[in-house]
Amino acid sequence: DVKVTQSSRYLVKRTGEKVFLECVQDMDHENMFWYRQDPGLGLRLIYFSYDVKMKEKGDIPEGYSVSREKKERFSLILESASTNQTSMYLCASRTSRVGSYEQYFGPGTRLTVT
Amino acid sequence: GIQVEQSPPDLILQEGANSTLRCNFSDSVNNLQWFHQNPWGQLINLFYIPSGTKQNGRLSATTVATERYSLLYISSSQTTDSGVYFCAVQTSYDKVIFGPGTSLSVIP
Repeated sequence: DVKVTQSSRYLVKRTGEKVFLECVQDMDHENMFWYRQDPGLGLRLIYFSYDVKMKEKGDIPEGYSVSREKKERFSLILESASTNQTSMYLCASRTSRVGSYEQYFGPGTRLTVT
Repeated sequence: GIQVEQSPPDLILQEGANSTLRCNFSDSVNNLQWFHQNPWGQLINLFYIPSGTKQNGRLSATTVATERYSLLYISSSQTTDSGVYFCAVQTSYDKVIFGPGTSLSVIP
């Protein structure tokens, strides 16, 4: 079974802090994704990564950066957290094999910025 | 861009009842997935179903790609089925669009 883990289930940070959200998958997947989920707005893609050291902006990258130094790990970085970044953050991974684009999600991190 | 709609937006069922959830999309898609988000926020894969019909226990799904819709059937519902059900469509290699979800409550 695919397993995607995230470093924290709940996180509380102060405005202006630098925040790291970590995601690790154990299925040797090439592609990894970061989404945020907000009531009434659904799931929105922040960044995704095709492979190690490769990244692409999603729909709402402003205020975020990412790092993919190893294949299994994809980090989301909030350089200076703001209250409007309070949200549920979901990481996902999938293989890049043609015809097998099923995404697998981690348990999510509920981030509160005060 | 492609629009993804789900109906109904909310559903309340008595335990043991059956239900059908619908996902409509406005353009051709390469792939489609159904997810269940449990009360703790975890998105759980239900089906990867770009076309055809699949069954897994009490759940089954059908996608008719040519008519741009997919259906998720839940039979003999249980309280553990409660949560939000999302369909997600893939329009290109890097673009996945999620529907707004159907919120299901199963009451004993």
